[in-house]
Amino acid sequence: AQSVTQPDIHITVSEGASLELRCNYSYGATPYLFWYVQSPGQGLQLLLKYFSGDTLVQGIKGFEAEFKRSQSSFNLRKPSVHWSDAAEYFCAVRHSGGYQKVTFGIGTKLQVIP
Amino acid sequence: EAQVTQNPRYLITVTGKKLTVTCSQNMNHEYMSWYRQDPGLGLRQIYYSMNVEVTDKGDVPEGYKVSRKEKRNFPLILESPSPNQTSLYFCASRTPLKDRAANSPLHFGNGTRLTVT
Repeated sequence: AQSVTQPDIHITVSEGASLELRCNYSYGATPYLFWYVQSPGQGLQLLLKYFSGDTLVQGIKGFEAEFKRSQSSFNLRKPSVHWSDAAEYFCAVRHSGGYQKVTFGIGTKLQVIP
Repeated sequence: EAQVTQNPRYLITVTGKKLTVTCSQNMNHEYMSWYRQDPGLGLRQIYYSMNVEVTDKGDVPEGYKVSRKEKRNFPLILESPSPNQTSLYFCASRTPLKDRAANSPLHFGNGTRLTVT
């Protein structure tokens, strides 16, 4: 069965510092991978997605993620964090067959300190 | 504006009192789904629907019902709510995979925070 692991529940970074949020997946075939962001009181918004091709994908708000098949990882990165990036981030994998079920990680809550 | 609309945003109720959370999307999406979000558990799928009159159970369907009588609406029904259904609920929609080459993320509503006492 597909699964997603986000090993860091909380991360605190200083404004202007770089950020990397980890995501590991378990899936038998080529995965469809997503990162979503949830701001307080809001629904989830898509940051970026990977389906095929270039393993480094660019998203909104200056985020990028790199798909590494050998490590079963899809880590999210940002070179310089802004205070407005404080939110909860979810990694997700979508099954390519059946009803295309999406499995989410438990989320990583990002705190940004001045 | 393309959106998924849930109502209400906040709901406090008592055990056993039937309630319905509405969800509507204006993107003509065929696929719709309900999730609940709980601390430490992430989002778990309750029910989903591939099209009108086609619904199926997700990972945590117990205590919930859904209906899909028309494409835009996908209400979540709790016939007899219990305190363990206190949670944050999200409705989401997307186009099916077959329509475009996997380029279809989920679109989420803003959530409904339900408290059952």
